[in-house]
Amino acid sequence: DTEVTQTPKHLVMGMTNKKSLKCEQHMGHRAMYWYKQKAKKPPELMFVYSYEKLSINESVPSRFSPECPNSSLLNLHLHALQPEDSALYLCASSQGTAKGSYEQYFGPGTRLTVT
Amino acid sequence: GESVGLHLPTLSVQEGDNSIINCAYSNSASDYFIWYKQESGKGPQFIIDIRSNMDKRQGQRVTVLLNKTVKHLSLQIAATQPGDSAVYFCAERASYDKVIFGPGTSLSVIP
Repeated sequence: DTEVTQTPKHLVMGMTNKKSLKCEQHMGHRAMYWYKQKAKKPPELMFVYSYEKLSINESVPSRFSPECPNSSLLNLHLHALQPEDSALYLCASSQGTAKGSYEQYFGPGTRLTVT
Repeated sequence: GESVGLHLPTLSVQEGDNSIINCAYSNSASDYFIWYKQESGKGPQFIIDIRSNMDKRQGQRVTVLLNKTVKHLSLQIAATQPGDSAVYFCAERASYDKVIFGPGTSLSVIP
């Protein structure tokens, strides 16, 4: 199984709502990532978890809160978002240096619209 | 031909021709580079990678060339097919887990 799954596929939320994005992988990968991608732009790194611990936070606003409950799951909790946060949110995972591969496997993304 | 639009450079090629997509990277300390393909409505998909101690790596119909002197990476696609139409991103590993994506090139294959 080389698949990264993300739910939901689409999400529309108001600026006062609280919602969560979910990501799951069963490849035994030790690193998991959240990226944000605007239209016609490259993915921008937000957070990295390595062995279930937050290792990189790219100065992301606190209205985005990541969580890694276990080695297979990654969540992104959303609260009080702004319309400019509307984007495609991508989750990815990788084996990491332990096995010499940095190849990232991406999920299909969650298309988020903030109204 | 290749053109730079307002947001995304575009490359148009005839089906069956070879495609060359170029990328300039910024960090001379980057030790690992990856090419990704992103089709509409999907997440990026790994194509090929290369480590900084190599100049060239070949895969199935694809070749990546690395020129560390001028910090330049290229992706060559042989016998381009309509299914190759997508946005292509180069990416560099800037630190342990930090992968930075380039701006991307939109490849359009003309049947």
